[in-house]
Amino acid sequence: DAGVIQSPRHEVTEMGQEVTLRCKPISGHNSLFWYRQTMMRGLELLIYFNNNVPIDDSGMPEDRFSAKMPNASFSTLKIQPSEPRDSAVYFCASTHREPYEQYFGPGTRLTVT
Amino acid sequence: KNQVEQSPQSLIILEGKNCTLQCNYTVSPFSNLRWYKQDTGRGPVSLTIMTFSENTKSNGRYTATLDADTKQSSLHITASQLSDSASYICVVSAKTGNTPLVFGKGTRLSVIA
Repeated sequence: DAGVIQSPRHEVTEMGQEVTLRCKPISGHNSLFWYRQTMMRGLELLIYFNNNVPIDDSGMPEDRFSAKMPNASFSTLKIQPSEPRDSAVYFCASTHREPYEQYFGPGTRLTVT
Repeated sequence: KNQVEQSPQSLIILEGKNCTLQCNYTVSPFSNLRWYKQDTGRGPVSLTIMTFSENTKSNGRYTATLDADTKQSSLHITASQLSDSASYICVVSAKTGNTPLVFGKGTRLSVIA
């Protein structure tokens, strides 16, 4: 298996633009997590899904953030409108049996200017 | 408030030496504790996962210990190698509440020749 796949790997955008980050979990995994990582705050859980259903989105910072999982093999994290303080590395992770071992993707480095 | 504190924040050691990283947590009720290794520019990779009843778990040169009474864990690295240079993140899972995982901010380890 190729592991968790994220795209794009890098994204540079201007403030106010919409940003969409994509994730393909490992086949057969039924839980998916979106994280944000910054130097100041470390890793933060934004939202997680079980069997494509959002279970906990309390980590989503604002209404500008939204996440969807239309099927078991695809999820998106959208920021609209983006702001400079959204600049971070966004990780997607999946697991077969939550909350045990999670497999992280390579991350998307987002820079909002 | 559920928290995970790691120490030291950063550490530099000579290749071949041993080192120990610390993790103290206030997460309650406790489900499990994990140590992750994160290389620069990559997603975290799981090293160990320990439940309440486990005191120690090894993964090669990495040995994690857990004292559920004092709510402390340590990660011991034996005979360090240059490739051990990374951030090591302690993560604690709570059994209840909206946040299933509480992350430490990590210890940045640099192994030098």
